[in-house]
Amino acid sequence: ILNVEQSPQSLHVQEGDSTNFTCSFPSSNFYALHWYRWETAKSPEALFVMTLNGDEKKKGRISATLNTKEGYSYLYIKGSQPEDSATYLCALGDSNYQLIWGAGTKLIIKP
Amino acid sequence: KAGVTQTPRYLIKTRGQQVTLSCSPISGHRSVSWYQQTPGQGLQFLFEYFSETQRNKGNFPGRFSGRQFSNSRSEMNVSTLELGDSALYLCASSLDAVYEQYFGPGTRLTVT
Repeated sequence: ILNVEQSPQSLHVQEGDSTNFTCSFPSSNFYALHWYRWETAKSPEALFVMTLNGDEKKKGRISATLNTKEGYSYLYIKGSQPEDSATYLCALGDSNYQLIWGAGTKLIIKP
Repeated sequence: KAGVTQTPRYLIKTRGQQVTLSCSPISGHRSVSWYQQTPGQGLQFLFEYFSETQRNKGNFPGRFSGRQFSNSRSEMNVSTLELGDSALYLCASSLDAVYEQYFGPGTRLTVT
């Protein structure tokens, strides 16, 4: 059974600080790695979908990297703002057209 | 382009009843996935449909079933409702399951 792990489970960060968290996944059957932001009372929203080893994607202050050979992806947030408070989910898309979700990292930004 | 829509948005049912939830995907999307979220839990995958066929199924009892129509709209049915079925049910559509998922607003089901 494929397992996607995210760490840490939760994170408190001071406003203005930068932070990062990890998504680990088995590297076999890899097709794509997704990152989503899930704000309270809203639906998850896609941040990035990455497919190539070494991929780096950026959206404003948020960026992500991918290492498919060792099976991990990092999500970075530069200069955290209160609106960054959310649960960040990663999901592994495999060659069987399954999307396997991690449990998420809950990020709380302290003003 | 219209987003993913789910109906109804809120539903209250009693134990033992059954319920049907509906999801209309973004035009052109052939994959629809269903998820359950309960308090304190993350996304729990229910099943995924592609071109009217169920391709993948999560670890839920047979009381949970679904289907997809030729226009890609999907329904999810829960029979013999239990209190533990109270949850937010989200559907997501995509071109294919491993591509970017677009989530609907969800249906909040309360079982009393």
